[in-house]
Amino acid sequence: LAKTTQPISMDSYEGQEVNITCSHNNIATNDYITWYQQFPSQGPRFIIQGYKTKVTNEVASLFIPADRKSSTLSLPRVSLSDTAVYYCLVGDSTGTASKLTFGTGTRLQVTL
Amino acid sequence: DGGITQSPKYLFRKEGQNVTLSCEQNLNHDAMYWYRQDPGQGLRLIYYSQIVNDFQKGDIAEGYSVSREKKESFPLTVTSAQKNPTAFYLCASSIGQAASYEQYFGPGTRLTVT
Repeated sequence: LAKTTQPISMDSYEGQEVNITCSHNNIATNDYITWYQQFPSQGPRFIIQGYKTKVTNEVASLFIPADRKSSTLSLPRVSLSDTAVYYCLVGDSTGTASKLTFGTGTRLQVTL
Repeated sequence: DGGITQSPKYLFRKEGQNVTLSCEQNLNHDAMYWYRQDPGQGLRLIYYSQIVNDFQKGDIAEGYSVSREKKESFPLTVTSAQKNPTAFYLCASSIGQAASYEQYFGPGTRLTVT
């Protein structure tokens, strides 16, 4: 079971790029890396998912090095509305939901 | 509009009472999940279901029970055996139960037991 480690909190100013790194040293061959965003008193929302190299969508990029032992979520030009908790998950594409673990996440605070 | 609904948003109960939280989805998803979130903490998996009439315990199933009689419904009962039931409860669904499938979450139910 791949455990993930993320910074507890990060601060940024509006308009800056934010990079949140997640460590998952025990990632298995079949594991995918997924990031979710959660606002207070709401359910998490899927942001991006990847297996290796780089993935980009309309809201974020995900960088995964060749050894896959870490990953970095990149949020370009953050705004106040990006203030939220960000969770990194590592899970098996063929396994069960019991292997999915939402850690404490990274609390991102964006200010003017 | 497709999505997941949870009701009620806030729920208050006296200690010793069982309480059932509702979760309905119209996404035609096979897999459904229940999570618990405590203040400042991440989500912990209570139960999950891959198909109708089948469900599995998650990491913290003690004191909880579920049923999956219909594909679109996955109610969670918090029993009096749950030692610390006050928490934020989130229901989710996905096309399949593998980790590579995106999970769609409901708005949550905040349960307070006194």
